[in-house]
Amino acid sequence: QKEVEQNSGPLSVPEGAIASLNCTYSDRGSQSFFWYRQYSGKSPELIMFIYSNGDKEDGRFTAQLNKASQYVSLLIRDSQPSDSATYLCAVREGGKLIFGQGTELSVKP
Amino acid sequence: EAGVTQFPSHSVIEKGQTVTLRCDPISGHDNLYWYRRVMGKEIKFLLHFVKESKQDESGMPNNRFLAERTGGTYSTLKVQPAELEDSGVYFCASSQVPGQSDNEQFFGPGTRLTVL
Repeated sequence: QKEVEQNSGPLSVPEGAIASLNCTYSDRGSQSFFWYRQYSGKSPELIMFIYSNGDKEDGRFTAQLNKASQYVSLLIRDSQPSDSATYLCAVREGGKLIFGQGTELSVKP
Repeated sequence: EAGVTQFPSHSVIEKGQTVTLRCDPISGHDNLYWYRRVMGKEIKFLLHFVKESKQDESGMPNNRFLAERTGGTYSTLKVQPAELEDSGVYFCASSQVPGQSDNEQFFGPGTRLTVL
């Protein structure tokens, strides 16, 4: 059973701080990794994807991938209250996505 | 451009009844996916259509679930007869070309199904 693991949280950070969200995956052959953000009652929306080892930056978001450790993370710099949501890590297997349980992030003003 | 739409947004039914969920993908997206999130669990894949063909239905829980996509446009997911454990949020997603690492799956708002 291929799995994606995330700490469910909640993770609470003060406004302006860096939020660090972590995810591990079981299939060493996985190639493509995604971070989705889901506000309560809304649809998941894609924030970033990454498939090469190292860092990928997009605005305040940085995705980090370490295939040797089977670890992918998402850093959110200068966190804002509007970043409060559940963050879902997903791994692509063929055409489908395998999701972790999600980490609830709360950014306090 | 309209996103992925799903109908109904909520459905409450009795155990043993039938429910049909509908998904309209983004126009031009050949790939359509159904996922489900039950309480306290992760979002899980159910099946994948490419146009009107079932590409992967490995996630369908049992034969009480029937998905169709006649004509390769909208899709329906029927649960018959519904059981208590079928309660959850059913998401539909669509994408253009599968298998590419930067191919985004766009999700609909979901249908919340409650089986009493």
